[in-house]
Amino acid sequence: RKEVEQDPGPFNVPEGATVAFNCTYSNSASQSFFWYRQDCRKEPKLLMSVYSSGNEDGRFTAQLNRASQYISLLIRDSKLSDSATYLCVVNDFRGSGNTGKLIFGQGTTLQVKP
Amino acid sequence: DTGVSQDPRHKITKRGQNVTFRCDPISEHNRLYWYRQTLGQGPEFLTYFQNEAQLEKSRLLSNRFSAERPKGSFSTLEIQRTEQGDSAMYLCASSFGGQVGYTFGSGTRLTVV
Repeated sequence: RKEVEQDPGPFNVPEGATVAFNCTYSNSASQSFFWYRQDCRKEPKLLMSVYSSGNEDGRFTAQLNRASQYISLLIRDSKLSDSATYLCVVNDFRGSGNTGKLIFGQGTTLQVKP
Repeated sequence: DTGVSQDPRHKITKRGQNVTFRCDPISEHNRLYWYRQTLGQGPEFLTYFQNEAQLEKSRLLSNRFSAERPKGSFSTLEIQRTEQGDSAMYLCASSFGGQVGYTFGSGTRLTVV
């Protein structure tokens, strides 16, 4: 079983749609959670951190459910420019503490169409 | 530009050749990470340094791979006797301490032909 699992998609949605991505992680000790965005043939870029209370940044809302080890990202009013791959990311936390390593999911591809 | 920089951006090499990549981290950052990303997958951890000490190496890092950070500043990743399976994007990131949510460099895209 992969440590971080995502539905690879692709998700094809019209402009203006609301789309949700889900992710599960296996290490219940993980402390930090993120969504990264990756454009084609570019490096991943941090989109937002994910907090237990849920957090919002404009059209983007991230949620964390520690009990279910589940992370989500909601994008409202999709724009053409949102087309990218969205990577669910969890820090590697072990008995020795936070290693600083990040564990990435496979990524979910979003294509927003006019 | 004060971000993480990587060189070269692209590298095409013949199978069996050796290649070396360089990463220059953000100057005050003491940790440096290398990841590898193949098509359709998320980045996978390879190794990391705290200052000049290499603290962990992934099982993905076969004995053909070696990484160094000689003075605790820039780092190099060398692949000896390249194979087609080494074709990937090699990404570098840096952080201060165990800070996560760090920034990646633009990566080095390796194609082995």
